[in-house]
Amino acid sequence: GEDVEQSLFLSVREGDSSVINCTYTDSSSTYLYWYKQEPGAGLQLLTYIFSNMDMKQDQRLTVLLNKKDKHLSLRIADTQTGDSAIYFCADGSGGFKTIFGAGTRLFVKA
Amino acid sequence: DTEVTQTPKHLVMGMTNKKSLKCEQHMGHRAMYWYKQKAKKPPELMFVYSYEKLSINESVPSRFSPECPNSSLLNLHLHALQPEDSALYLCASSPTSNTEAFFGQGTRLTVV
Repeated sequence: GEDVEQSLFLSVREGDSSVINCTYTDSSSTYLYWYKQEPGAGLQLLTYIFSNMDMKQDQRLTVLLNKKDKHLSLRIADTQTGDSAIYFCADGSGGFKTIFGAGTRLFVKA
Repeated sequence: DTEVTQTPKHLVMGMTNKKSLKCEQHMGHRAMYWYKQKAKKPPELMFVYSYEKLSINESVPSRFSPECPNSSLLNLHLHALQPEDSALYLCASSPTSNTEAFFGQGTRLTVV
């Protein structure tokens, strides 16, 4: 079946940029999402990108999409301690069935 | 209103109990979902309702029984659960299929 893969951990210093990477297998994917989950909470939709886009910027967040390599990245500029969370990459192209990556746990050191 | 509201936030139940989880959204979304999430894992889809009809059941055991009384409400009835059913249960909604889903804060369920 289709799959989404992410690295499991990322550690950065406060004020640095964070880059979280994701690869997906479905070449026909059209809707790709980034969700954030803080401890004990639900998933918060951070941003999304459609397959007809290469880049999307929203304040401190930049999403890059490389369709040829089926690679998606989320860059967080000026990372703060409040950004410490798990970030899920998700492929929402399968109708009602969203495929989630395993999640990248971001640690921000003060 | 862009919220999905779940109640209760925490629930402890015995293996012989019957309880219900509730979910509500007022965004006019026509698709509603139940997910189960174990610690340090991504959410796993359980059920999908589309236009108040059950559209997807991911082979979930019958001790979990979903119900969609109207387009804004989604319930999950629990009966004779096992300790391994302890998890975070997340409700989500989306306008239709192939659109972004909005999640509630979840119900932390502990089965003792």
